Amino acid sequence: DIQMTQSPSSLSASAGDRVTITCQASQDISNYLNWYEQKPGKAPKLLIHEASKLETGVPSRFSGGGSGTDFTFTISSLQSEDSATYYCQQYDNLPYTFGQGTKLEIK
Amino acid sequence: QVQLQESGPGLVKPSQTLSLTCTVSGGSISSGDYFWTWIRQPAGKGLEWIGRIHTSGITNYNPSLKSRVTISVDTSKNQFFLKLSSVTAADTAVYYCARDVVATIYNWFDPWGQGTLVTVSS
Repeated sequence: DIQMTQSPSSLSASAGDRVTITCQASQDISNYLNWYEQKPGKAPKLLIHEASKLETGVPSRFSGGGSGTDFTFTISSLQSEDSATYYCQQYDNLPYTFGQGTKLEIK
Repeated sequence: QVQLQESGPGLVKPSQTLSLTCTVSGGSISSGDYFWTWIRQPAGKGLEWIGRIHTSGITNYNPSLKSRVTISVDTSKNQFFLKLSSVTAADTAVYYCARDVVATIYNWFDPWGQGTLVTVSS
C-alpha cells in the first residue's frame, strides 16, 4: 500500500494567516492526489483534485500543488469557517489511501 | 444533484455480519462512469477505503479486508450494499458511501453520504 504522511498533525493559526499542510507519498504518485475537508460530525468534502485543481464552488483561498511524492495544501488567508481536519488521498494505486489528517484550529 | 444516504443497523454483535445499504438519489446509479465506494472512519481516527463497485460488476477491495468484504449493487433500486463478515470491535466506525468519479485517468470521491455509525458490541 502507498503510505501518505501529512504534517503537521495539528496546527493553530489566526484568521488572516497563511497556512500550509504537506503530504508525502511513500512512492511516486504523479499528480494523483486529492484533498478533502472534514468538519466535526460531517462527511469529508472534496476541495482539490488532481493535486491542484479546485473543485467547483470552493473558495480561491484554497490551493494545492506538487507532484511525485511531495504535495502541499495552502489556505492563503484563514477564515473562521476553515476550522476542520484536512486529508490528502492518493489514487495512483489500489487500495486508495489517505493521510492521517491535519487538524486545523483557528485561534 | 446526486445524493447518497447510508442505512442499516447501528449495532452488530461480534462475529456477525455488518450489512449496510447506500441509496442514491437525484440520478441513476447506472449513468456515467462511476464506481460506488465504501469508506470507514473509526472514532477520532483517519479514513480507510474499504472497496468499490462499478455497475458493470467490477469490484475492488482493500486487501486488508478482502476476505471479509462483499460489495454489491442493485441498479433497479438505485442502491449498493456493503457486507462485512466476522466483525470485531475493531470494525466499529462511521461508514460512508461515496461516488468515485472517474474522469479519464483521474478520480475523486464526490459526493459522500452523511455517514452511519456502526458499533460492534455484544
